[in-house]
Amino acid sequence: DVKVTQSSRYLVKRTGEKVFLECVQDMDHENMFWYRQDPGLGLRLIYFSYDVKMKEKGDIPEGYSVSREKKERFSLILESASTNQTSMYLCASSFITGGGYNSPLHFGNGTRLTVT
Amino acid sequence: GQNIDQPTEMTATEGAIVQINCTYQTSGFNGLFWYQQHAGEAPTFLSYNVLDGLEEKGRFSSFLSRSKGYSYLLLKELQMKDSASYLCAPFTGGGNKLTFGTGTQLKVEL
Repeated sequence: DVKVTQSSRYLVKRTGEKVFLECVQDMDHENMFWYRQDPGLGLRLIYFSYDVKMKEKGDIPEGYSVSREKKERFSLILESASTNQTSMYLCASSFITGGGYNSPLHFGNGTRLTVT
Repeated sequence: GQNIDQPTEMTATEGAIVQINCTYQTSGFNGLFWYQQHAGEAPTFLSYNVLDGLEEKGRFSSFLSRSKGYSYLLLKELQMKDSASYLCAPFTGGGNKLTFGTGTQLKVEL
C-alpha cells in the first residue's frame, strides 16, 4: 500500500512565523501535491511538483512556497504565517501511467494548522 | 478555468440506492475521479472514468458523459458507514492536476 506521511497531525503557530509542513511518500511517485481544505471551499490546490526540483503553482499559491530536493519529499513553506492560513493541509502523490494518464492521488492524513 | 457543481447535502436510507451528480466545465479534460472522505480523514479513491459510460466496482458505480460535462456516482445497498463526503474531481491531463468539487455530504439513516 502507498504510504504518504505528513510530519505533524496538529500544529499551532504564531502570526509571522515561518512554518514548514513536511510530506514523504514511499512509492517512488513522480507527482506530489499540496492542497488545503476549508469548510464550504473544498480542496484547493496550492502547489504541485512532477519531478525533483520542479514545481508548479496551483490555484492559490500566494503566501506559500515549496521545496522538492528529493523525489520522496515535498515540503510546503509558509514564509510568514497569517491567520487566514489556518486550515487543514493535505499532501498527496501519484505516478504517471502509460499514455500520460495519472494514477489516483494518494493522500496523507493531513496537518491541521492553526495560526494565532 | 474550472467550474464543478455537485449538491451540498443528500440524505438516504440504509439499504437504498443513491445517485450523486456532478457537472463540470474544465479545460483540457482528461478523465474524472470520485473520492470518499469521512470526517477528519483523508480522501480515498473510489473510481476513475476516462471514457463515456458506466464503471462498476462492487456497490459503487460511476458514469461519465464527456459531451455533457456530467458524471454521477451510484451507491447501492447503502450502509451506515457510507455516510461521508463524496468529492467529484475532473482531471486536466495537461497540468497533471486534479480540481475538486466542494463535495456532497451524504447522510445514511436507518
